[in-house]
Amino acid sequence: SYALTQPPSVSVSPGQTASITCSGDRLGDKYASWYQQKPGQSPVLVIYQDTKRPSGIPERFSGSNSGNTATLTISGTQAMDEADYYCQAWDSSTAIFGGGTKLTVL
Amino acid sequence: QVQLVQSGAEVKKPGASVKVSCKASGYTFTSYDINWVRQATGQGLEWMGWMNPNSGDTGYAQKFQGRVSMTMTTSINTAYMELSSLGSEDTAVYYCARVQVNYGFDYWGQGTLVTVSS
Repeated sequence: SYALTQPPSVSVSPGQTASITCSGDRLGDKYASWYQQKPGQSPVLVIYQDTKRPSGIPERFSGSNSGNTATLTISGTQAMDEADYYCQAWDSSTAIFGGGTKLTVL
Repeated sequence: QVQLVQSGAEVKKPGASVKVSCKASGYTFTSYDINWVRQATGQGLEWMGWMNPNSGDTGYAQKFQGRVSMTMTTSINTAYMELSSLGSEDTAVYYCARVQVNYGFDYWGQGTLVTVSS
């Protein structure tokens, strides 16, 4: 079955750029979405169709997807960006989520 | 504004069933799929399945086939997810989410905690 792999954790200093990767077989042939989840809250869509930001999502969030890897990039990372991030793609009408990455801003 | 409001927390005994509701507002209910996702404490997101409120078509993750049922009442813009033969491993927060394939899960309910305990 299809699987998406994320690093368990990523650390970044405030103001720096954070990159979170998501790997899957020929992931670049599919659309990737990214979700932010803070403790005790529901997930929030931050990127869809690889690169698009929903209304209300800051411009510092961007995405790319090519080959076997999708990447979520947060430029000028702020303390409020500390959260768990999940990638997601569709495979044969099944939604697949990555295992999640805890982003620490320190 | 789009809202998905779920029913309250449930405590069930092993072997029982649970039915969680998800009431949609702020958009045309039949225009978007409703998906269900669960999350055990400290764990990641696990997709359970989808339902098309327009056609009534459903699709379930293989793991839940035969144990899950997703239904709706369009007159009150409400979707339901019923999970049977509960075990302790089903203790989790269950979310409904609005979905357009390839557009992501753009709105989520607040989550419903289901606790399975004897």
